[in-house]
Amino acid sequence: QQQVKQSPQSLIVQKGGISIINCAYENTAFDYFPWYQQFPGKGPALLIAIRPDVSEKKEGRFTISFNKSAKQFSLHIMDSQPGDSATYFCAASRREGAQKLVFGQGTRLTINP
Amino acid sequence: NAGVMQNPRHLVRRRGQEARLRCSPMKGHSHVYWYRQLPEEGLKFMVYLQKENIIDESGMPKERFSAEFPKEGPSILRIQQVVRGDSAAYFCASSLGAGGVGEQYFGPGTRLTVT
Repeated sequence: QQQVKQSPQSLIVQKGGISIINCAYENTAFDYFPWYQQFPGKGPALLIAIRPDVSEKKEGRFTISFNKSAKQFSLHIMDSQPGDSATYFCAASRREGAQKLVFGQGTRLTINP
Repeated sequence: NAGVMQNPRHLVRRRGQEARLRCSPMKGHSHVYWYRQLPEEGLKFMVYLQKENIIDESGMPKERFSAEFPKEGPSILRIQQVVRGDSAAYFCASSLGAGGVGEQYFGPGTRLTVT
């Protein structure tokens, strides 16, 4: 019930293409869904986040799509660039109580020039 | 406008020694979270603290691990009698308010190696 499942584990995309990473959750009490980007040797950096009252949120080249009924959400990176090569983590938490983040397993994204 | 600070960045300990990891939250943040990341894995929640209070320690191993966030000074994650399985990256995050009110911002991590 506390798990967040993320796929794929690794992804290779050509420069200029669209990168898509998917996550699924089970706990319907989750109401906050952030995405983090992590470069080797660095801490995770908050990229974009969504709440379940909207189905899509866009910030620059990054878009989160959210499907509440399916309990799924995804990250789309448009016009992917070599600098986007990193590991991406989805996460989920509850707004009430202890707001610990439950992370997916991560996706290692490589953008080929 | 400094972000979350953690030190040391790298820590090597022999089996049986103690490890102390420090975290200074972002300015104005009073909520601190500790996470552990094993190689090639996602982050796992350990403990959530506010000043002088442990709010949720459901992710902390029952023995050898403890955390505090005193009124003054950084938050400390303490691991006593370290074992090889404790080797991991330990990340601290801070938020302005609780979860839904404030996003969590992570520090650069402390990479603990137990030899």
